[in-house]
Amino acid sequence: GAVVSQHPSRVICKSGTSVKIECRSLDFQATTMFWYRQFPKKSLMLMATSNEGSKATYEQGVEKDKFLINHASLTLSTLTVTSAHPEDSSFYICSARDARGGQQETQYFGPGTRLLVL
Amino acid sequence: QKEVEQNSGPLSVPEGAIASLNCTYSDRGSQSFFWYRQYSGKSPELIMFIYSNGDKEDGRFTAQLNKASQYVSLLIRDSQPSDSATYLCASGGNQGGKLIFGQGTELSVKP
Repeated sequence: GAVVSQHPSRVICKSGTSVKIECRSLDFQATTMFWYRQFPKKSLMLMATSNEGSKATYEQGVEKDKFLINHASLTLSTLTVTSAHPEDSSFYICSARDARGGQQETQYFGPGTRLLVL
Repeated sequence: QKEVEQNSGPLSVPEGAIASLNCTYSDRGSQSFFWYRQYSGKSPELIMFIYSNGDKEDGRFTAQLNKASQYVSLLIRDSQPSDSATYLCASGGNQGGKLIFGQGTELSVKP
């Protein structure tokens, strides 16, 4: 299979604190991972593409200093929401691209992290 | 702008019927197409991917691709209440590894 884990699954924090979310590919190596956010009843919004060993590529309108991404190994990418505010409350979901077997574009999603900023 | 369009629904079908979900895409350079299922409050899970024109079957699911018409569909045979979810269509292969997602179609299967 292609399993992606995410931790934590749920976090509640005070405004102004930073929150780190981890995304791991458990049974495959992922040179590329993606970070999405999703508001209730809305579609996925791609925030950034995380590439192992290089800087992340952010989508237009996403503040790179606000959402820090590090992809230090072939199985781990982290998203840090810095100085979180209530408007950052959302469902954050990572995905990892599995390039095995020629499935170049297939993305497998982690279970998501629900962030609530008070 | 590269887009993937889906009817947001809700699409309601009786249990045991065939559910037909449709998707169109604007980027003719797209090479790969994906269907994900997302239950409420959960993350998307991959159902199927398709690269070639025609049909691809996996159990109760059949994906259909028509590149000339830029049209992708997903058929779910013998629909079950557990199939009730939002189905996301996505295209890839021309966006540097990124997938372009549609807004999703909500499917409701009534017992």
